[in-house]
Order: sequence, then C-alpha cells, then structure tokens
Amino acid sequence: AQSVTQPDIHITVSEGASLELRCNYSYGATPYLFWYVQSPGQGLQLLLKYFSGDTLVQGIKGFEAEFKRSQSSFNLRKPSVHWSDAAEYFCAVGGTLGSGTYKYIFGTGTRLKVLA
Amino acid sequence: GAVVSQHPSWVICKSGTSVKIECRSLDFQATTMFWYRQFPKQSLMLMATSNEGSKATYEQGVEKDKFLINHASLTLSTLTVTSAHPEDSSFYICSARRWGTSETQYFGPGTRLLVL
Repeated sequence: AQSVTQPDIHITVSEGASLELRCNYSYGATPYLFWYVQSPGQGLQLLLKYFSGDTLVQGIKGFEAEFKRSQSSFNLRKPSVHWSDAAEYFCAVGGTLGSGTYKYIFGTGTRLKVLA
Repeated sequence: GAVVSQHPSWVICKSGTSVKIECRSLDFQATTMFWYRQFPKQSLMLMATSNEGSKATYEQGVEKDKFLINHASLTLSTLTVTSAHPEDSSFYICSARRWGTSETQYFGPGTRLLVL
C-alpha cells in the first residue's frame, strides 16, 4: 500500500543551524513528491516539488530537497534556519495511487521549533 | 499565481444546522478540487475529490449525505456540512489542481468550524 512516513514528529533547532526533515515513501511507481509548510491556523504553502529530472530540487524560502530512489526518500533541507521557519511541515506523495483518481497521501507532519 | 480562497474562515453554528463552505481558485481554472479535514496537531485527511460538473468521489468512511460537495464551475467548489454536530467541529481545507497541467495542489487557508 502507498504510504508516506515522516519519522520525526517534533524537531527543535537553534536559529542559524542547519535543518533536515526526513520523508520516506512507499509507492509502486515514480511518485510526484511535495513538501508543504503550514503555519498555525493556516492552509498549506507549497515549498517545492519533484516530478522528474534533477533529483535535487530548490524551493522557496531557501529550502531544498533531494529525491533518492534507492532509499525511497525525499528529505527537506535548509542550511540556516530562521525563527520564521517554525511551523508544521508535511511531505506528500501525489498520483493515482491505485485508485484511478489523482490524490495526495500526506505524511503525519513534523513540527519544527526554532530556538532564538 | 495559483491562489485559492475559502469562505468563511471561521464559522460557529448550533447543532443541527447546516454550514456551507466555499472554495475558489482565484487566478486559475481548477480541474479538480479536494476537500480535507484536519484535527488538531494531526495530518490532513482527504474527504473527497470533486470534478467540475460531476459527482464527487468520497473517501472510505466519509458520509456522502452529511458532507455534500458541489463543484459548479472550474473555479468554485462548495462543501456543505448538513445537520452539523459537535463531532463535526474541525479545520476544513480545500485545494485545487490546475486545469490541464500540473500535478500540484494549491491549498486554501482553511475554514475552522465549531459546532455548539
């Protein structure tokens, strides 16, 4: 069955430190992969996406992610975290997912806390 | 581009009443719109997928008669929570998939529903 796993429920980093949020997926074909960020009480904002091609993708706000097929991973990284990055981060897989209709499967999310 | 709005952002209603939530794609035509429900500190759960001019496809366990979805145009979908009860209180988020192109979903800001 298709699934998305975000192993870290909470992550705390100091401002200026580097960040890596993990995402592993299970999907029968090459998936469409996404990272979204959600601030409290808000909708989701797209950070970046991977469809094909270069496995290192650049997104907004200085984020990047690397698709590793061999590890079924799509980890999100940022070299230097800002206090405004504190939020909930969701990884998602998109596709027909065996149902015939296009949809996403979301991971459970990782809540990022940034220490001043 | 790719802005999605939701109205209202907050709604409080009495038990037994119906509530309608609108989702609009403001600057693009949406092939498909999606409705999600999110409980506090949890991930998004897909409720249904709607295509313009056709019946919505509901996920397993979602009551079709309780959560009525209408997708009247390529820019508007509505979710009506009928005979709302306190357990329907939640954060409802819609998303839209751009016509003819991207596999990306663009999310609205969400609607918080409180049923008293």
